[in-house]
Amino acid sequence: AQSVTQPDIHITVSEGASLELRCNYSYGATPYLFWYVQSPGQGLQLLLKYFSGDTLVQGIKGFEAEFKRSQSSFNLRKPSVHWSDAAEYFCAVGPSGGYNKLIFGAGTRLAVHP
Amino acid sequence: DADVTQTPRNRITKTGKRIMLECSQTKGHDRMYWYRQDPGLGLRLIYYSFDVKDINKGEISDGYSVSRQAQAKFSLSLESAIPNQTALYFCATSDLGTNYGYTFGSGTRLTVV
Repeated sequence: AQSVTQPDIHITVSEGASLELRCNYSYGATPYLFWYVQSPGQGLQLLLKYFSGDTLVQGIKGFEAEFKRSQSSFNLRKPSVHWSDAAEYFCAVGPSGGYNKLIFGAGTRLAVHP
Repeated sequence: DADVTQTPRNRITKTGKRIMLECSQTKGHDRMYWYRQDPGLGLRLIYYSFDVKDINKGEISDGYSVSRQAQAKFSLSLESAIPNQTALYFCATSDLGTNYGYTFGSGTRLTVV
């Protein structure tokens, strides 16, 4: 069955520290992979996406993610976290080409300490 | 104006009442989706529509129905609301093209008492 696992429900980091949010997926074919961010009271905003090619993808707000096929992972990273990055982050997977229903992980809530 | 607009933003309703959540979009996208978000469960797909004549059930469609009135409008109905339908509901759209990301509305927070 297709699924997305985000092992960390909550993460707390200090402002200026580096960040890595984990995402593992189970998918029968080559997937399309996404990270979304949800700020309080807001909808979800696309941070970045991976379709093919370079396995390290850059997104908005200084985020990047690395696709590792051998580990079925697509972890999100940021070298230096800002207080405004406090939000909930969702990893999602969808089929390559064709119909694109996304399957979302349960989310990781990020808190940033000053 | 937002690309994807959901109304209402918040709603409190009583058990057994019928309620409709509305979604309209100005993106020109053919594909529209309804998800619900529950703490610790992420987003789960309720219904989706790839065009006006195409409606499909998602993983949690029981107790819900939808109507695609036009390319730009996709409504979600709860025929007889129950408390475990209390959740945050999101509408999203996507394009058939190379940009497979969704555009989300701001959500409707529904409370069933």
